[in-house]
Amino acid sequence: AQSVAQPEDQVNVAEGNPLTVKCTYSVSGNPYLFWYVQYPNRGLQFLLKYITGDNLVKGSYGFEAEFNKSQTSFHLKKPSALVSDSALYFCAVRDLRGFKTIFGAGTRLFVKA
Amino acid sequence: GAGVSQTPSNKVTEKGKYVELRCDPISGHTALYWYRQSLGQGPEFLIYFQGTGAADDSGLPNDRFFAVRPEGSVSTLKIQRTERGDSAVYLCASSLVRTGRTEAFFGQGTRLTVV
Repeated sequence: AQSVAQPEDQVNVAEGNPLTVKCTYSVSGNPYLFWYVQYPNRGLQFLLKYITGDNLVKGSYGFEAEFNKSQTSFHLKKPSALVSDSALYFCAVRDLRGFKTIFGAGTRLFVKA
Repeated sequence: GAGVSQTPSNKVTEKGKYVELRCDPISGHTALYWYRQSLGQGPEFLIYFQGTGAADDSGLPNDRFFAVRPEGSVSTLKIQRTERGDSAVYLCASSLVRTGRTEAFFGQGTRLTVV
């Protein structure tokens, strides 16, 4: 069965510093991996995805994520955090054989000015 | 429309009542998903449609929950004999093509409160 773990409930970063939000996954075979962001009172917004190819994928708002197959990880990163990045971030995995997408519990990112 | 539309945005119902939640996906999107998000949790998969058929309904918690998509566009999630534990935000998402490579676009959700 697919599963996603986001080990940190909250990540605190100072504005201008690099940020990392961690995600590990479990799935049979090769996965499709996604990151979404949720701002207060707004729907989930797609940030980026890994399908195949280059392990480093770039997405919206300067975010990127690195797929590491041996560590079954897909950590979200940004070189320089902004206060406006403060939100709830979800990692998700989809099994290549189907369309069922499983989400992690979420990590709240707090960027301090 | 420009995005996934869900109605109503809020629904308060009494325990034991029947509710219907509606999702209007992005035009042309063949895939449609329903998720449930409880406070402090990630979205929990309920059901996935490809066209009119439910391709995977393994996430529906019990037989009180049912979803339809009769014409391959609008979908309705139906909950019978609601319980207080059904209170959550119900999210709908749609995506464009048959393969699993595409991301899903989410609506704002329907906040269901069972009192």
